[in-house]
Amino acid sequence: AQSVTQLDSHVSVSEGTPVLLRCNYSSSYSPSLFWYVQHPNKGLQLLLKYTSAATLVKGINGFEAEFKKSETSFHLTKPSAHMSDAAEYFCVVSLYSGNTPLVFGKGTRLSVIA
Amino acid sequence: GAVVSQHPSRVICKSGTSVKIECRSLDFQATTMFWYRQFPKQSLMLMATSNEGSKATYEQGVEKDKFLINHASLTLSTLTVTSAHPEDSSFYICSAGENQPQHFGDGTRLSIL
Repeated sequence: AQSVTQLDSHVSVSEGTPVLLRCNYSSSYSPSLFWYVQHPNKGLQLLLKYTSAATLVKGINGFEAEFKKSETSFHLTKPSAHMSDAAEYFCVVSLYSGNTPLVFGKGTRLSVIA
Repeated sequence: GAVVSQHPSRVICKSGTSVKIECRSLDFQATTMFWYRQFPKQSLMLMATSNEGSKATYEQGVEKDKFLINHASLTLSTLTVTSAHPEDSSFYICSAGENQPQHFGDGTRLSIL
């Protein structure tokens, strides 16, 4: 069965410094992987997606993630954190292609310190 | 613009009230929609799969008589929380889509007093 593990429940960075949010996945075949962001009391926003094309995926707001099959990882990075990046981030895997539900990681709360 | 519309966005009501949440696909037909629940400071968990014209499929631990799902048309699924109690207070969100990633509604924050 598919699953994702977000290794850190909380990450705190200073504004202007790099962000690294870690995610490892478990899948019996090639998964589709996503990162979503949720700001307080808001819905979900898709940051980026990996669907077996390029392994380095660029998303919105300067975020990117690299799919590493050998490490079963899909870590989210950003070169320079902004105050507005403070939010909850979810690493997500799809069970199958097409119209199927998603499996969410437990989430990583990102705090950005001025 | 939004391709999945979810209403209402916020509900506050007394214990014992039944609450209906609607999820609509705006520019595509959705034979299947998904309902998730997110308790405070937790992740999203799949509750059920809503199937147009047939019974919903519920995840383990989700009471089908408590969370009634109706998918009567190709663009609308409803989730009714029957006789809601404070422990049902949560963030409920639906998704639909022909491909991955799915489109999410904006969610419904349910608070039962």
